[in-house]
Amino acid sequence: LAKTTQPISMDSYEGQEVNITCSHNNIATNDYITWYQQFPSQGPRFIIQGYKTKVTNEVASLFIPADRKSSTLSLPRVSLSDTAVYYCLVGGGATNKLIFGTGTLLAVQP
Amino acid sequence: NAGVTQTPKFQVLKTGQSMTLQCAQDMNHEYMSWYRQDPGMGLRLIHYSVGAGITDQGEVPNGYNVSRSTTEDFPLRLLSAAPSQTSVYFCASSYSKQPNTGELFFGEGSRLTVL
Repeated sequence: LAKTTQPISMDSYEGQEVNITCSHNNIATNDYITWYQQFPSQGPRFIIQGYKTKVTNEVASLFIPADRKSSTLSLPRVSLSDTAVYYCLVGGGATNKLIFGTGTLLAVQP
Repeated sequence: NAGVTQTPKFQVLKTGQSMTLQCAQDMNHEYMSWYRQDPGMGLRLIHYSVGAGITDQGEVPNGYNVSRSTTEDFPLRLLSAAPSQTSVYFCASSYSKQPNTGELFFGEGSRLTVL
């Protein structure tokens, strides 16, 4: 099972670009990388998923280097409403066990 | 579509009592799972199921039982509640039997306190 490591917290200001990096050294060949966002008192919500290179959707971009041992979630021009916990999820390979890390608390200030 | 529905939203138990947390989804998803979330611990997988009649253990299965008699429902049972089971519980589902290739849909959570 791939274990993920993320910074515990990050601070930013409105309008800035935020990059959150996740380390997953033991990622398996068939593992995808998925990011979720969680607001207080709510369940996590899917943001973006990728396997390699770069993926972009209407809310974020995901950068994955060739060795796939890390990934970076990029949030363009954050606002106060982007204050949340962000989870990087890798796996679950052949076992279907999806193991979350401890997440990154992003605090956006005015 | 209601999505993933969890009941109850809040529950207080005494040590030793039993209860069932209900989870239902109306999206015809094959994969369903239960997580618990404690401060500073992130989300920890309790049990999961890849289809009716099939369940398996996650990271922290002790003290919890599950069954999957229908595609829609995946109840989580606490047979003898302990204070260490005080937590917020989330149910999640996915269309794919291999959920690492798809999106997990989460319920709103059930907050359980064991006294």
